[in-house]
Order: sequence, then structure tokens, then C-alpha cells
Amino acid sequence: DQQVKQNSPSLSVQEGRISILNCDYTNSMFDYFLWYKKYPAEGPTFLISISSIKDKNEDGRFTVFLNKSAKHLSLHIVPSQPGDSAVYFCAARVTNAGKSTFGDGTTLTVKP
Amino acid sequence: DGGITQSPKYLFRKEGQNVTLSCEQNLNHDAMYWYRQDPGQGLRLIYYSQIVNDFQKGDIAEGYSVSREKKESFPLTVTSAQKNPTAFYLCASASTSFRELFFGEGSRLTVL
Repeated sequence: DQQVKQNSPSLSVQEGRISILNCDYTNSMFDYFLWYKKYPAEGPTFLISISSIKDKNEDGRFTVFLNKSAKHLSLHIVPSQPGDSAVYFCAARVTNAGKSTFGDGTTLTVKP
Repeated sequence: DGGITQSPKYLFRKEGQNVTLSCEQNLNHDAMYWYRQDPGQGLRLIYYSQIVNDFQKGDIAEGYSVSREKKESFPLTVTSAQKNPTAFYLCASASTSFRELFFGEGSRLTVL
């Protein structure tokens, strides 16, 4: 039973346009959500997060939206840049549970 | 520099051999984690430890063992009982407040 799902394995956008990456979850106990970015042969790096008490969090070009009723979150990147090309992982956790559950990732390609 | 160091970066093993992957952190984090990544898949949790001398099984612990004798170190042993050990292994750590995970650069294990 996969509790965190990223249904789009890949996404291709033009430089300067918006990238929207989606993530769905099934466990209603999740109360903290994170996005990580990963380049090949490297470890993931933290990008942005959101608590379940919020519906939006913004950090520069990156915004994460949370829709708790739909159990859905999305990451918006505006404007997209070629350096954003990477694999993006959605993760979720229950506070104090001590571990995070990851989705399978979405490979974003930003074309110049 | 504060961070997580994994070694070796690449490792080759013959079938039937045990191998140990090293993970050291100088971030003074209490919690440490081992994840496995296979091509096209997300990060699956093998083991995690929230405090010295204590650790818990993750979702795919079979064929693996760990120890946590020091706060800074969390080595992972891939035993001969692990049926499909070829993968990219990632170590991570987190602070007590557990916001995001900090990852090492990974170790790629190939079984010949």
C-alpha cells in the first residue's frame, strides 16, 4: 500500500514557464509534507515544506499548496529554469513518528 | 563543514558476501536513517535510529542489519540474506525537532 503517490513519472516544461508537480497521499495522519530535489548520483536536498495547518507556503520561486480534503499537494516552480531539471520527491510524515514516507519521484526537465 | 559522509561511494560485492556501508554525521543530529533507491522508484526506508543504542526496522529491513553505538555513526550491513542488494543506498539524519532530512551523497552497491 503506497501511502504517498506521485502519478507523473516525468514532466517537461519550457524555460520561463510554470512547472507543477503533484503528489497524493492516503494516510490522514500525515501532518507535515516536504519536497526534496535530487540530482543523479547525489543525495536529495530539502526544498520546501508545509504543515497541515497551512494551505500554502512560498519560498522564492517555489510554492507548495496543500489541499487536505483532497489529500493532495502540489509544488509550483515559477519561472522554471534549466537548473531546476532534477527528480523531485514528495514526502510526508506524522509528527513524532520519526520517519518520512516518500513518493516515487517526478523527473522534471526544463528546456532552454 | 557540517554534513553527512557516506563511504564507499561505489562498492562491488560477490554473491554471498556481507558488506558494510559507513555513515558518519557531524551535525549533532539524534536521528539517523538508511534508505534504498532502485531505478524509477522512490526512497524506501530500511532502518532508522532516533537515539544511540536504539533502532527500528523500516519497511524493507529483511537482509540488512545496523548498529548505533555512537551518535555520529550509523553503519548498515547488507548481508548475504538480502536477495536483491544492488541499489543506491542513502543515509540521512535529522534533528530532534525533525524538520527536514539531511542526506549523504549515497553509496552505490553492485553485486557481481
